[in-house]
Amino acid sequence: NAGVTQTPKFQVLKTGQSMTLQCAQDMNHNSMYWYRQDPGMGLRLIYYSASEGTTDKGEVPNGYNVSRLNKREFSLRLESAAPSQTSVYFCASTPTRGRSGYGYTFGSGTRLTVV
Amino acid sequence: EDKVVQSPLSLVVHEGDTVTLNCSYEVTNFRSLLWYKQEKKAPTFLFMLTSSGIEKKSGRLSSILDKKELFSILNITATQTGDSAIYLCAVGGSQGNLIFGKGTKLSVKP
Repeated sequence: NAGVTQTPKFQVLKTGQSMTLQCAQDMNHNSMYWYRQDPGMGLRLIYYSASEGTTDKGEVPNGYNVSRLNKREFSLRLESAAPSQTSVYFCASTPTRGRSGYGYTFGSGTRLTVV
Repeated sequence: EDKVVQSPLSLVVHEGDTVTLNCSYEVTNFRSLLWYKQEKKAPTFLFMLTSSGIEKKSGRLSSILDKKELFSILNITATQTGDSAIYLCAVGGSQGNLIFGKGTKLSVKP
């Protein structure tokens, strides 16, 4: 099925460990996003990529890095995980960043726990 | 600073009740307002509103936008237990990113 695929679905890390969350879309979308969702906080933007080859910081970028590997894939890396990064992470994509909200598609999420 | 405020943050009703969820916003260069329903996993799209005063409807759900007063409401009539979820409001600005509110957690009791 067409859409946004995230891996893994669940992960437990120890403080200080590193990991990469993977995201891929097969809808030929130009723009991709990483959000985190904490209880009672809605979704907050971590990083986004308006198009292949570009990335920009969102509202809460500290402690994260991203790579737009190609048009399909946008990964999120935690270099040294901290308990404050325990959250649910969502990847999303849109056809183009300029038309706000149009065609926004979310992945199913990654539940990350840092102990 | 752009912001989206939803109220109430949580709500408990009984089946058959009608509920109104609120969303107010302050966003530079407003383009659109979206409503999502979130159950266990990813948010699922409900409505996208760009024009003031035009109601969008889908079954028992409806939504309207007031661009002058900078708010939107989501109405659910004859609620069912399957309507229990977090309802998210998001606003898109000219930069293309969505700014989300904290959500309203709706619980519908049998």
